[in-house]
Amino acid sequence: GQNIDQPTEMTATEGAIVQINCTYQTSGFNGLFWYQQHAGEAPTFLSYNVLDGLEEKGRFSSFLSRSKGYSYLLLKELQMKDSASYLCGFMDSNYQLIWGAGTKLIIKP
Amino acid sequence: GAVVSQHPSRVICKSGTSVKIECRSLDFQATTMFWYRQFPKQSLMLMATSNEGSKATYEQGVEKDKFLINHASLTLSTLTVTSAHPEDSSFYICSARAGGLDYNEQFFGPGTRLTVL
Repeated sequence: GQNIDQPTEMTATEGAIVQINCTYQTSGFNGLFWYQQHAGEAPTFLSYNVLDGLEEKGRFSSFLSRSKGYSYLLLKELQMKDSASYLCGFMDSNYQLIWGAGTKLIIKP
Repeated sequence: GAVVSQHPSRVICKSGTSVKIECRSLDFQATTMFWYRQFPKQSLMLMATSNEGSKATYEQGVEKDKFLINHASLTLSTLTVTSAHPEDSSFYICSARAGGLDYNEQFFGPGTRLTVL
């Protein structure tokens, strides 16, 4: 079967670093996505990993280990505007996105 | 980057009426479009997948006669919520994927907030 799991909520301090983990199980895999979603808005694309390793894009980095079914999103130099839900999703063999429930990230001053 | 628009952004309607939501890819051809529904504080739920020129594939539990999807062109898909009821009130989001299996990113529209009174 397919499933995907990520923490429900995390809290971090402005200026700090936070890592949001995501684990998944699937027989067919065509990449893993991270999206950011602010309350009441549609998701916006952050990253796409299809090969193992770390992809860095500014303050955000995403890591993938296909053998472990594991990914994480790393956010550095946290800003208050980073308070949002972060959605992890993998693309299955039919090229459909299977979503996690999202991690609500709360940034405190 | 690729842009997807949705119209309307917000709609309030009376119970029993039908509502049409448009999803357009503005600067690319979307061979596949996806319709999602999101209830407050819940994850995105895929409702259906539509490929241009063919019938939509609905997820289990989604009534195809209630949620009519038309993907008549490579830049436009419509979702019609027929005989809407208060429990259909939700945030409806479309996404589009360009052609070519080596390009997997989905581009999301801004969403449509539907409130059924």
